[in-house]
Amino acid sequence: QKEVEQDPGPLSVPEGAIVSLNCTYSNSAFQYFMWYRQYSRKGPELLMYTYSSGNKEDGRFTAQVDKSSKYISLFIRDSQPSDSATYLCAMGFGNEKLTFGTGTRLTIIP
Amino acid sequence: DGGITQSPKYLFRKEGQNVTLSCEQNLNHDAMYWYRQDPGQGLRLIYYSQIVNDFQKGDIAEGYSVSREKKESFPLTVTSAQKNPTAFYLCASSRSTGTGDQPQHFGDGTRLSIL
Repeated sequence: QKEVEQDPGPLSVPEGAIVSLNCTYSNSAFQYFMWYRQYSRKGPELLMYTYSSGNKEDGRFTAQVDKSSKYISLFIRDSQPSDSATYLCAMGFGNEKLTFGTGTRLTIIP
Repeated sequence: DGGITQSPKYLFRKEGQNVTLSCEQNLNHDAMYWYRQDPGQGLRLIYYSQIVNDFQKGDIAEGYSVSREKKESFPLTVTSAQKNPTAFYLCASSRSTGTGDQPQHFGDGTRLSIL
């Protein structure tokens, strides 16, 4: 079993819909949780960074962490074609290296 | 603008050849990392460095080598010992030496292919 599981998709939704992206993990020591967006042939771009459980909102993006269920989510409201990309979750703790999910490919259909 | 610059964007390697991928950052970050990205496998850590003149192996270091002579620079050499080098290589940096609690920032990658 991988330490971090992420559905690879692809996920296609119509423009304006709410998108939900998820990762599950097995290591209860993880404390820091990140979401990255990666466009084709580009490097990952940090979208959201959260510590421990709870919600964090930034514009149309909301990151949610449920440590009791070992489950994190990224919600995108009012999705736009420019949101079409691969989304990677990442998590870490202490001085340990980050662990990344494999990424979910998202397409927003105009 | 502060950021991470990787060069070249595309690189071709002949059999038996070593090639070096460049990574430069002007974010004044202490820690730097090299990842390999293959379809369906996510990011795999090759090497990382938390301070100048020091670096550690990641999960897939065999066939690769690095140096960290300057804070700003962390070049990666893909040696002829790496038998399957075709991949997208990503360089990243983070502010502190606590690798788990600092978000990493990435360059735009180098795509390496075999001739």
